[in-house]
Amino acid sequence: ILNVEQSPQSLHVQEGDSTNFTCSFPSSNFYALHWYRWETAKSPEALFVMTLNGDEKKKGRISATLNTKEGYSYLYIKGSQPEDSATYLCVPTLAGSARQLTFGSGTQLTVLP
Amino acid sequence: DAGVIQSPRHEVTEMGQEVTLRCKPISGHNSLFWYRQTMMRGLELLIYFNNNVPIDDSGMPEDRFSAKMPNASFSTLKIQPSEPRDSAVYFCASRNQGAGGANVLTFGAGSRLTVL
Repeated sequence: ILNVEQSPQSLHVQEGDSTNFTCSFPSSNFYALHWYRWETAKSPEALFVMTLNGDEKKKGRISATLNTKEGYSYLYIKGSQPEDSATYLCVPTLAGSARQLTFGSGTQLTVLP
Repeated sequence: DAGVIQSPRHEVTEMGQEVTLRCKPISGHNSLFWYRQTMMRGLELLIYFNNNVPIDDSGMPEDRFSAKMPNASFSTLKIQPSEPRDSAVYFCASRNQGAGGANVLTFGAGSRLTVL
């Protein structure tokens, strides 16, 4: 099981604010990193898959960066909206264990109107 | 594509009863995962299959839990006998294993189990 740390655990922001969270993971034998968004009472949905050091992905107002050498990824949300309220989960996989996807506790974001 | 289909969506049962949760993965996906969501442990991996073969069941809490995947389009998670502490939402997810870890999971809607 990978030692994945996400910070902060929870976050409250005002509508319109931009925000970001961090995912830290072991840098050795890195294979891929997934970001998922999980709204209350729904199922997790994939946001991004990142594999290369320096990768940047964007989906609307949400973007993510990846640093595999130091073992972290940032997720950014620009101009947060109440519908962005969800738990954001990062799931790294290492070479040799690429089949297993173990989720951390995530960052719970609440965007206040 | 109808996505990952789980049944039942909700189940309420009494302690000691057998519970069977079902999952139909997305056609063409060759990996299937069972997760359990609890307040204490978040989203917990129970077991996963690759090409219908169980690869890692180390997350299965105890012998009361068992999972099968008799074919590529169907899997079951069984709890016998059930206990109140098994109450949780159980998610099934599938993906195309393909090149490895780069393919994302698609989750079902979950089965909410309440054991009285």
